[in-house]
Amino acid sequence: DAGVIQSPRHEVTEMGQEVTLRCKPISGHDYLFWYRQTMMRGLELLIYFNNNVPIDDSGMPEDRFSAKMPNASFSTLKIQPSEPRDSAVYFCASRPGGARGYTFGSGTRLTVV
Amino acid sequence: DQQVKQNSPSLSVQEGRISILNCDYTNSMFDYFLWYKKYPAEGPTFLISISSIKDKNEDGRFTVFLNKSAKHLSLHIVPSQPGDSAVYFCAASGSTGGGNKLTFGTGTQLKVEL
Repeated sequence: DAGVIQSPRHEVTEMGQEVTLRCKPISGHDYLFWYRQTMMRGLELLIYFNNNVPIDDSGMPEDRFSAKMPNASFSTLKIQPSEPRDSAVYFCASRPGGARGYTFGSGTRLTVV
Repeated sequence: DQQVKQNSPSLSVQEGRISILNCDYTNSMFDYFLWYKKYPAEGPTFLISISSIKDKNEDGRFTVFLNKSAKHLSLHIVPSQPGDSAVYFCAASGSTGGGNKLTFGTGTQLKVEL
């Protein structure tokens, strides 16, 4: 299995632009998680899905952030409009039902200038 | 509010010595704990875990200890090797309510020196 695949690996954008991050979970994993890594807060959960349905989005910082999972093999995290404080590494992770640990993707490093 | 805390941002240890990384938690509903290791430009990878019904779990050079009364866990690496240099994240989950999600600490950067 290729693992959790995220794209792009790096994204540099100007403030105010729309940014879309993409994730392909491991086949058969029915939970998908989006995390953001910052120095101050470590890895913080933004949102997670079970069987493509959003379960908990309480970590989404504000309305500028949205996430979708149109099918079992694809999810997007969108920021519109982006701001410099959104600069961070964004990770996607997945796991099968019943497991307690996740498999993470390699992350997307977002820089908003 | 940080429910999982790693109070040491960094730790430096000599090769061959023991590395001890610490983690504290505040939520008494947490019953499963994990350690992840992260190299630069890579995603975190699972290292070792422990259930709250145990107080110790060992896997090769890595041992995790859990003190439920103190709400404290630690990761011991013996002997430490240069390849162990990475950021280590402590994570916790509960079997009820938020049992499906992991809450992470802020990480500890371990540097193993020759």
